[in-house]
Formats: sequence, C-alpha cells, structure tokens
Amino acid sequence: DTGVSQDPRHKITKRGQNVTFRCDPISEHNRLYWYRQTLGQGPEFLTYFQNEAQLEKSRLLSDRFSAERPKGSFSTLEIQRTEQGDSAMYLCASSLGQGSGGYTFGSGTRLTVV
Amino acid sequence: AQTVTQSQPEMSVQEAETVTLSCTYDTSENNYYLFWYKQPPSRQMILVIRQEAYKQQNATENRFSVNFQKAAKSFSLKISDSQLGDTAMYFCAFSAYSGAGSYQLTFGKGTKLSVIP
Repeated sequence: DTGVSQDPRHKITKRGQNVTFRCDPISEHNRLYWYRQTLGQGPEFLTYFQNEAQLEKSRLLSDRFSAERPKGSFSTLEIQRTEQGDSAMYLCASSLGQGSGGYTFGSGTRLTVV
Repeated sequence: AQTVTQSQPEMSVQEAETVTLSCTYDTSENNYYLFWYKQPPSRQMILVIRQEAYKQQNATENRFSVNFQKAAKSFSLKISDSQLGDTAMYFCAFSAYSGAGSYQLTFGKGTKLSVIP
C-alpha cells in the first residue's frame, strides 16, 4: 500500500490550454473523490466515483471539467480551456466502502494558470 | 446543505502545552460523521480523529481528543502535550450520506496552528 498518488505535483499552464491530472488510489479502494482547494480555503467537493461509475458531480464542475475512472482503477481530471480562476490545488481521495472511516488523500496537484 | 465553521483562523501554542481548536456545524441530518484533518506544509491531508454522531462518547486518539456536543452542533479538537510536528493547518469536516451514494466531505476554512518551541 503506497497510498494515493497524484501526478503531476505542479502544473503551470497558459490560459486557454487543456490540462489533465492523474490520481492512482489505494488499490482496494472502490470509492474515489476529487476536491479543489483554493488558497486560504478548505477543500471543496468536485466529483465522486464508485468503481468506474461517476455517481455525483458538484455544481462547481463546469462543462470545461471532465473526469473519468476507466476500469475502476486510476482516475483522470481534465480541464479544458483553462482560466485563471482554475488555479488551485486539486486533491484526490479514496476510500473503501462508505468512507465513514475517513478517506486517504493524495498530496495534490497544484495548478497555476498564467 | 451542510456548513462547517472554524472561527479561529490562526492559533499558537507553546510546546508541551494544550490547545483547543473550535468547530461548529449546521445540518438537518441525524446520522453523520465528523472529522479533524491535519494538512502540514507538505500538503497531504491526514486524518487525525473521527466521531460518529450516534456515539455519545468522545473520540480519543493518543494526544488528540474531541469534545462533541451534538445538541450545540459543536466539535472541538484538543491537542495535549503539543509537539513541533503538530504545526499544520487543521480542518474540521462533516460527512453524511448524500443520496447519490457518496459520503462527500464538507470542510471548514481551517485553523493554522503553530507550535512554538
């Protein structure tokens, strides 16, 4: 068990470009969450997967955002036509079962849009 | 919708002393879970302690304990014998079944704790 891995750790992109982040959860965890954390704020929920099915999306997840979890393993979060307001830390978390025992978070991907 | 409020943006404590971080929440749910997470400067969020709302007994994990007051919707974290490694952002978080299958977390804005040698 190597924990939740996220790649890349940092990403700097120009406004209007597309970016993709990857999350590798703990292997036996069937639930996967994406959160966004801006400076001085707590993380905010973006989307949730149970196995390969995306079951819930936040209203924060605009049409420019898309997430996938093929085969219920790793997950990707893509942002199209990035805007400066997308600059944030993107956190991935996974859990086994309901997650009432708490999740395991990755170290996050820091996105800076210039 | 659930809300979580942490009224102390920053706190400091002397090493070996005790500090209490405050958290209040608002919900209409009866069954839910409460958590304290620690986020050191290295960024990875680490679970410190959890509490199930149906349990009256306050949770304890080594030097960390909570004071859970369900009627008052209060969930404070007490850190005893503070250590330099406790320096971090501390987030209070709430979780309940969402209806869509998730137990998504709702976080407060955090309290930055500094432990002073």
